[in-house]
Amino acid sequence: KQEVTQIPAALSVPEGENLVLNCSFTDSAIYNLQWFRQDPGKGLTSLLLIQSSQREQTSGRLNASLDKSSGRSTLYIAASQPGDSATYLCAVHLDSWGKLQFGAGTQVVVTP
Amino acid sequence: DVKVTQSSRYLVKRTGEKVFLECVQDMDHENMFWYRQDPGLGLRLIYFSYDVKMKEKGDIPEGYSVSREKKERFSLILESASTNQTSMYLCASSTPPSDVWNSNNEQFFGPGTRLTVL
Repeated sequence: KQEVTQIPAALSVPEGENLVLNCSFTDSAIYNLQWFRQDPGKGLTSLLLIQSSQREQTSGRLNASLDKSSGRSTLYIAASQPGDSATYLCAVHLDSWGKLQFGAGTQVVVTP
Repeated sequence: DVKVTQSSRYLVKRTGEKVFLECVQDMDHENMFWYRQDPGLGLRLIYFSYDVKMKEKGDIPEGYSVSREKKERFSLILESASTNQTSMYLCASSTPPSDVWNSNNEQFFGPGTRLTVL
């Protein structure tokens, strides 16, 4: 069974520092991988989807990499801001229908 | 932008009541999903649907049913609500990959419904 792990569970950084969030999965036979942001009590906001044939995806200050052979994805957020404070979740797409296996998330606090 | 809406942000029901949670998406997506999110257990898939009137069980379907009469609407039904169904419920939608060269099936979520069963 696919297991998705996000370490650390929580992270606190000063404003301006770059954020590095890690996601690992046990079975390299994934379809796609998606990163989400969740604010307290709210739904999930899609940040990036990396298709299975891609190595990385970029959107503004966000860059996500994918290494299927080693079972890892990393989300980089450049020049962090207090507004980046949230929980970040990675999810592995198990098939083309979109069934997802989520990690537990990394709670990020960016201090002014 | 894709918009997924859920009928209520907060809902309080009593044990034994029949509860309907509604989800509507405006992007003509074929696939729709219902999850629940609980502290320490993360997000778990309850049911999903890949077409009108089609449904598939997820990881935790017990105590739930679903209905998809129209493409844009996917309803989650708690036949007889119980206290262990107190949770945050999240709906999502996506479109299946267009072909082997484009596997984009990005999933979009609604704002969630916080259900409390007393």
